[in-house]
Amino acid sequence: QKEVEQDPGPLSVPEGAIVSLNCTYSNSAFQYFMWYRQYSRKGPELLMYTYSSGNKEDGRFTAQVDKSSKYISLFIRDSQPSDSATYLCAMSAIGGATNKLIFGTGTLLAVQP
Amino acid sequence: ETGVTQSPTHLIKTRGQQVTLRCSSQSGHNTVSWYQQALGQGPQFIFQYYREEENGRGNFPPRFSGLQFPNYSSELNVNALELDDSALYLCASSSQTLYGYTFGSGTRLTVV
Repeated sequence: QKEVEQDPGPLSVPEGAIVSLNCTYSNSAFQYFMWYRQYSRKGPELLMYTYSSGNKEDGRFTAQVDKSSKYISLFIRDSQPSDSATYLCAMSAIGGATNKLIFGTGTLLAVQP
Repeated sequence: ETGVTQSPTHLIKTRGQQVTLRCSSQSGHNTVSWYQQALGQGPQFIFQYYREEENGRGNFPPRFSGLQFPNYSSELNVNALELDDSALYLCASSSQTLYGYTFGSGTRLTVV
């Protein structure tokens, strides 16, 4: 079993839809949870960073962490064609600069105009 | 210059050859990590360098090695290339006060 599981998609939605992206994990030591967006032929770009359980909102993006269920989510409201990319969840047991990130496989999202 | 820059952007090598990939970290970042991303997969941690010392290593064989220089730039060396080494190699830099990494655009290595 992989430490982090993520539905690879692809996920296709119409413009303006609410998108829900999810990851599950097995390592209870994970405390730091991140979502990265990766456009084709580019490196991952950090979208959201959450410590422990709870919600965090940034504009159209909301990240949720449920440590009791080992489940994290990213919601995108009013999705735009420019949101079309691969979304990667990542997590680590320790924070700061010297953490090792464990990534999911990524979910490919296409937002249709 | 801001951001993480990697060179070259693309590379084709023959099985058994050696390759060196280079990374310039973002200004002010003293930690560099390298990740391998196979097609359709998430990045996998190779190793990390902090103050020119290896500071953690993933499940990669010794033929994957690295260096960090005093200016915090870094190199990834891979010896005896195998077909399965074909992937996007990502460099990421971070500082002690930041969460998460800043990734470069990667070097796409093809081994034939």
